[in-house]
Amino acid sequence: DIQMTQSPSSLSSSVGDRVTITCRASQSISTYLNWYQQRLGKAPKLLIYSASSLQSGVPSRFSGSGSGTDFTLTISSLQPEDFATYYCQQSYSIPLTFGGGTKVEIK
Amino acid sequence: QVQLVESGGGLVKPGGSLRLLCEAAGFTLNDHYMSWIRQTPGKGLEWVSYISTSSSYTDYAHSVKGRFTISRDNANNSLYLQMNSLRAEDTAVYYCARNIWSGYSYYFDYWGQGTLVSVSS
Repeated sequence: DIQMTQSPSSLSSSVGDRVTITCRASQSISTYLNWYQQRLGKAPKLLIYSASSLQSGVPSRFSGSGSGTDFTLTISSLQPEDFATYYCQQSYSIPLTFGGGTKVEIK
Repeated sequence: QVQLVESGGGLVKPGGSLRLLCEAAGFTLNDHYMSWIRQTPGKGLEWVSYISTSSSYTDYAHSVKGRFTISRDNANNSLYLQMNSLRAEDTAVYYCARNIWSGYSYYFDYWGQGTLVSVSS
């Protein structure tokens, strides 16, 4: 199984900050990497697919990059509604697996 | 708009069974693979199972293989998860999710609100 490791597990930032979350796969997954946002008490929401493609309706301050084993989710200017937990997920092989999550909190 | 609504969760004793239902609306169910994904406080998000459009292909997480069965009824816009021999570690919120598979992309673009399954004596 492919293990997905996110870092950091949590971070504190202020509105307007640039935030970067990393995700590392235990083996190469090309660009079969997706990012989801989960607000408290809600279902996950797709942000980025195929490592860098922005899902329709998602604000352009979100961006993704990477290929192979190392990936990054960047929020260019953190907004109040962005305080949430973010998960990466690989779709290269079954079983599909998720990272452990990064909780973005208000500083 | 796309809607996925899960139901069927509840409290069940170890060794018991439950059948989850996911009702789809706002899109043509038989155009999409579908998955069940669960979330526990301790283990985070875990993909459980997927099913192809015509039910020809299914697959399962190691942790549920042989105990859970995914199925669908496209005519009634419904997805199911039959869960047998339930264990305490199956306690989780269970989500159904629409899958998008095209070229080099495979992802979950819509999720339901989830249904809670609790396994306890």
